[in-house]
Amino acid sequence: EAGVAQSPRYKIIEKRQSVAFWCNPISGHATLYWYQQILGQGPKLLIQFQNNGVVDDSQLPKDRFSAERLKGVDSTLKIQPAKLEDSAVYLCASSLPGLAGDEQFFGPGTRLTVL
Amino acid sequence: GEDVEQSLFLSVREGDSSVINCTYTDSSSTYLYWYKQEPGAGLQLLTYIFSNMDMKQDQRLTVLLNKKDKHLSLRIADTQTGDSAIYFCAEQITRFGAGTRLTVKP
Repeated sequence: EAGVAQSPRYKIIEKRQSVAFWCNPISGHATLYWYQQILGQGPKLLIQFQNNGVVDDSQLPKDRFSAERLKGVDSTLKIQPAKLEDSAVYLCASSLPGLAGDEQFFGPGTRLTVL
Repeated sequence: GEDVEQSLFLSVREGDSSVINCTYTDSSSTYLYWYKQEPGAGLQLLTYIFSNMDMKQDQRLTVLLNKKDKHLSLRIADTQTGDSAIYFCAEQITRFGAGTRLTVKP
């Protein structure tokens, strides 16, 4: 079974530029999550999708971050414009709800550096 | 600060047991999780415990839950060098601790 795919793996941009990340979840997983993990901290949930609908985006900085999940499969996360404090690893995860709660499978992440 | 708190570092010798501790704040959490993160990789779910359980054992891993004190622990028996990683506890899927870096010395 293929895992969660993310691209690019690394991205370096200057502040005020735009950037987009892509995530392909495990086939059949209805729920998709984007997390921001700043160095030395745990992941922070940015947005959760159930199929192509948003379940929770309470911690997404909506003035600069946007995310979409067209057709309930792949997802993109965009930052426009980027700030220095957006430097982090952006993790995508997917899950198939089951008896044991939502077991999440994480992708390798995209490491963003904003200069 | 973090709603979920963990000590930042733990160092043990190979073959010893490791105990990683975590405190959380939301008494209504249904599930509590332990994840492992190796360098350059995403998080890997190690185990979870349902809130109506006190203990769960899975091979070398033992999870203890004290709901009264909102305290969760992960014990790794016979710790190996391959267990060196950062371990995160999480309540539900939305709140993670900052992670405990486990170093296993030969």
